[in-house]
Amino acid sequence: AQKVTQAQTEISVVEKEDVTLDCVYETRDTTYYLFWYKQPPSGELVFLIRRNSFDEQNEISGRYSWNFQKSTSSFNFTITASQVVDSAVYFCALSEAGGAGSYQLTFGKGTKLSVIP
Amino acid sequence: DAGITQSPRHKVTETGTPVTLRCHQTENHRYMYWYRQDPGHGLRLIHYSYGVKDTDKGEVSDGYSVSRSKTEDFLLTLESATSSQTSVYFCAIRGPGDNSPLHFGNGTRLTVT
Repeated sequence: AQKVTQAQTEISVVEKEDVTLDCVYETRDTTYYLFWYKQPPSGELVFLIRRNSFDEQNEISGRYSWNFQKSTSSFNFTITASQVVDSAVYFCALSEAGGAGSYQLTFGKGTKLSVIP
Repeated sequence: DAGITQSPRHKVTETGTPVTLRCHQTENHRYMYWYRQDPGHGLRLIHYSYGVKDTDKGEVSDGYSVSRSKTEDFLLTLESATSSQTSVYFCAIRGPGDNSPLHFGNGTRLTVT
């Protein structure tokens, strides 16, 4: 069975600090996809990034960066120079093949990030 | 924004009553999903659909049924609501391609009293 572990339940940082959100996954599949989603206080789920298992290149998007390491089964998310608007719950997710070409996402329990002004 | 609409946005119902939540998409995507979100559990898959009249169970399907008679609509039914089904329910759609992400609706907050 697939599993995603986000060990950090809640993190608080002061604005402009860097913060890393950890994600560790378990899967027997050789092909899989990893995702990060953001859920701000308003409640919607916002897609941030997708990574496939064959691409271990790190990715940077503005203040956000992601570090994918197959050797440690981790897909960590770093926010540089955090801002109050980054306050949200962040979910890491792992794809799992389903019927007829579908896949489902298995989510971690989320990390609540609070950025204090 | 992906064209997904969930209705109702909020609902309060009594134990034992049937409840149907609706998810409507305008993207003509094949794959649709229902998740529930509960504190301490993250999001868990209830049911998903890979086409009209093609559905399958997810991790927490007990007490729920679904139907998809049209590409654009995916209905989630609680046949006899229980307090343990108090939750926030999210519908999601996925476009073509193995690596397409799921895009979520804004959620339905259901309270069973």
